Amino acid sequence: DIQMTQSPSTLSASVGDRVTITCRASQSISSWLAWYQQKPGKAPKLLIYDASSLESGVPSRFSGSGSGTEFTLTISSLQPDDFATYYCQQYNSYSVTFGPGTKVDIK
Amino acid sequence: QVQLQESGPGLVKPSQTLSLTCTVSGGSISSGGYYWSWIRQHPGKGLEWIGYIYYSGSTYYNPSLKSRVTISVDTSKNQFSLKLSSVTAADTAVYYCARDQMGATPDWGQGTLVTVSS
Repeated sequence: DIQMTQSPSTLSASVGDRVTITCRASQSISSWLAWYQQKPGKAPKLLIYDASSLESGVPSRFSGSGSGTEFTLTISSLQPDDFATYYCQQYNSYSVTFGPGTKVDIK
Repeated sequence: QVQLQESGPGLVKPSQTLSLTCTVSGGSISSGGYYWSWIRQHPGKGLEWIGYIYYSGSTYYNPSLKSRVTISVDTSKNQFSLKLSSVTAADTAVYYCARDQMGATPDWGQGTLVTVSS
């Protein structure tokens, strides 16, 4: 099984901050990685797929990068609506694993 | 825009089988090109992929749950289903059905809480 880790687990930031979340895979997953945003009581929302492709309708302040085993999600200027939990997900070879999540809260 | 809706009992007794159905609207399961997934989230915890199915019936499961999971599809009703056998309290979670496109998951149901308790 491919294991996913995320860092940090919690991130305190202010509106306007540049925020970066890291996701690592236990083995190479090429670019088969997605990022999701989840708010309490809601289903996750897809932000980024194939490591760096922005899902339709997602603000351009979100971006993704990386390949192989190390990936990042960057929010260029944090907005009030962005305080949430973020998950990475690998989808390599008919196997799916999520990272443990990174909670972004207000400093 | 496709919509997915989970349905099924909110309370299941230990050792019994959890059964959920996902009804798809705004798109046909049999049109192909998508995998139809079940994902769960334990209270206050992260996301766990359970498995998915293609309209043809091909299935792929999380190895940690494989011995207890069955996912099936009914294209005539535009539904797919989850069965999880021999449940325990550790199976208490919000269960989501979802549509996968090329691996990522853009479309989700609202989720349904299933509690395992006697």
